[in-house]
Amino acid sequence: EIVMTQSPATLSVSPGERATLSCRASQSVSSNLAWYQQKPGQAPRLLIYGASTRATGIPARFSGSGSGTEFTLTISSLQSEDFAVYYCQQYNNWPRAFGGGTKVEIK
Amino acid sequence: EVQLVESGGGLVQPGGSLRLSCAASGFTFSSYEMNWVRQAPGKGLEWVSYISSSGSTIYYADSVKGRFTISRDNAKNSLYLQMNSLRAEDTAVYYCARDSGTTDYWGQGTLVTVSS
Repeated sequence: EIVMTQSPATLSVSPGERATLSCRASQSVSSNLAWYQQKPGQAPRLLIYGASTRATGIPARFSGSGSGTEFTLTISSLQSEDFAVYYCQQYNNWPRAFGGGTKVEIK
Repeated sequence: EVQLVESGGGLVQPGGSLRLSCAASGFTFSSYEMNWVRQAPGKGLEWVSYISSSGSTIYYADSVKGRFTISRDNAKNSLYLQMNSLRAEDTAVYYCARDSGTTDYWGQGTLVTVSS
């Protein structure tokens, strides 16, 4: 079973600044890695799939990179609506596994 | 517009049963694989179960294997999760989510509370 580890657990960032979130897999998941954003009281929203492909309607300030076991989600210039919890998920193997999440909060 | 609407959640006693439903619209339901994902209060996301488009392939998380059963009715554009022998640790919001390699669309979820 693959374990996904996200860091940091909480990231304090000022609006307009860059945020970098990390996700590590316990074994290679190739590029079968997705990122989700979740706001309080809402369902998760797909941001990135295939490690680096933005989902439909996702702004260009969101970018993903990595392959194998190390992945990064970068938000180039944080907007007020970007403060949320972000999860990575591998879909290379069963069972599918999510990371524990990174909360991006206002500094 | 893709829509997934869950129903069937509620309060149930430990050891009890509950059946969740998910009504799908806005896409060809019979062509897509589907998942259930849950989120305990204040916690992260946990994948629960997967079913292929025809229903012939099914997977479960170890935490629910033998207690939960996923199924679908393509004629009714509906996904189901039969939950038996419920435990306090099954308390969560349960989301129905479409699968296109990864989970691309999610419903708003239905809350299941297991408590005496």
